[in-house]
Amino acid sequence: SQTIHQWPATLVQPVGSPLSLECTVEGTSNPNLYWYRQAAGRGLQLLFYSVGIGQISSEVPQNLSASRPQDRQFILSSKKLLLSDSGFYLCAWSVGLIVTEAFFGQGTRLTVV
Amino acid sequence: ELKVEQNPLFLSMQEGKNYTIYCNYSTTSDRLYWYRQDPGKSLESLFVLLSNGAVKQEGRLMASLDTKARLSTLHITAAVHDLSATYFCAGNSNSGYALNFGKGTSLLVTP
Repeated sequence: SQTIHQWPATLVQPVGSPLSLECTVEGTSNPNLYWYRQAAGRGLQLLFYSVGIGQISSEVPQNLSASRPQDRQFILSSKKLLLSDSGFYLCAWSVGLIVTEAFFGQGTRLTVV
Repeated sequence: ELKVEQNPLFLSMQEGKNYTIYCNYSTTSDRLYWYRQDPGKSLESLFVLLSNGAVKQEGRLMASLDTKARLSTLHITAAVHDLSATYFCAGNSNSGYALNFGKGTSLLVTP
């Protein structure tokens, strides 16, 4: 069966510090991978998605970036965090050219102080 | 780009009552998804609706899809406290590769 791992679960970082969140999927090949952000009390905002190694599509301009160094690994990064980067970051995966269902990791709660 | 609107955004209902959450979307799409999120937790897939007229039921929840009206509904029957959560609907983005989510409906079921 497929599983998705996301870490860390909680993170407190000072403004201006770098960020690296990692997500890995097991039990499937060539998944579509996603990073979503959920600000406090708000809906989900798609940040990045990837349909293959090295292929990254950005949905929202910001100081975040994503990389996919391996088929089942997706990394979200920032060189300098802003207060507005605080939120709940969710990694997700799906399969197929057209999404029929997406499955989410447990999320990382990031607080920038 | 596909826009998804849910209403209501907040819903407080008594146990035992029935209610419906509505999800409208902006462009043609033949599939719609419902997710549940408990406080502080991730999203759990509830229903996948893949065609016009699709209806799915799980316990006290029933979801349906009308692609001509660009409308999906999530009907709650005889609500119980355990259903308290935030419910999201989502549709395929124009590229088809990702899901665009509504803002969610926060449901509170009270005694």
